[in-house]
Amino acid sequence: QKEVEQNSGPLSVPEGAIASLNCTYSDRGSQSFFWYRQYSGKSPELIMFIYSNGDKEDGRFTAQLNKASQYVSLLIRDSQPSDSATYLCAVSSNTGKLIFGQGTTLQVKP
Amino acid sequence: KAGVTQTPRYLIKTRGQQVTLSCSPISGHRSVSWYQQTPGQGLQFLFEYFSETQRNKGNFPGRFSGRQFSNSRSEMNVSTLELGDSALYLCASSLFGSYNEQFFGPGTRLTVL
Repeated sequence: QKEVEQNSGPLSVPEGAIASLNCTYSDRGSQSFFWYRQYSGKSPELIMFIYSNGDKEDGRFTAQLNKASQYVSLLIRDSQPSDSATYLCAVSSNTGKLIFGQGTTLQVKP
Repeated sequence: KAGVTQTPRYLIKTRGQQVTLSCSPISGHRSVSWYQQTPGQGLQFLFEYFSETQRNKGNFPGRFSGRQFSNSRSEMNVSTLELGDSALYLCASSLFGSYNEQFFGPGTRLTVL
């Protein structure tokens, strides 16, 4: 089992729809959870972080964390073509390392 | 604040050579982490330095090494390059470490021929 798992996609949604990106992790001691966006040919850009169970909202983005289920998700409301990118889930393990998932490719179609 | 800078941006080397990559973190950040990104393996953690000390290390061979200077700038060295070392090498800086938000530099694209 991979430490951080994401569906590679592509996830295709129409413009204006809600995109839902999911991530599971194996280390129950994980404390910090991050979502990065990476455009093709660019470096990852931090878009959300969450430390506590529940939801955290920032503009069109909502991160959801469920530690009991070892599950973290990212919702993007009113998706725009400019949101088309690879979204990387990252989890800070109890060994102090930041472990990344393979990423989910999101395509937002006009 | 200036972001994370990495030099050089592109490198072409041949097998057996060695290479040194440089990273300057965001001012005030004391933690620098290095990652290797390849299409097949994704983003893989190499090591983390905090206040000039290696605090964590990933599962890479000893050919990969690093160091951090008193001004928090960090260098990464790869000796005896192999074809499989071709990758995008990213450094990320944060205030305190991986449990904090990390901010990535633009990366160094290394091609080994």
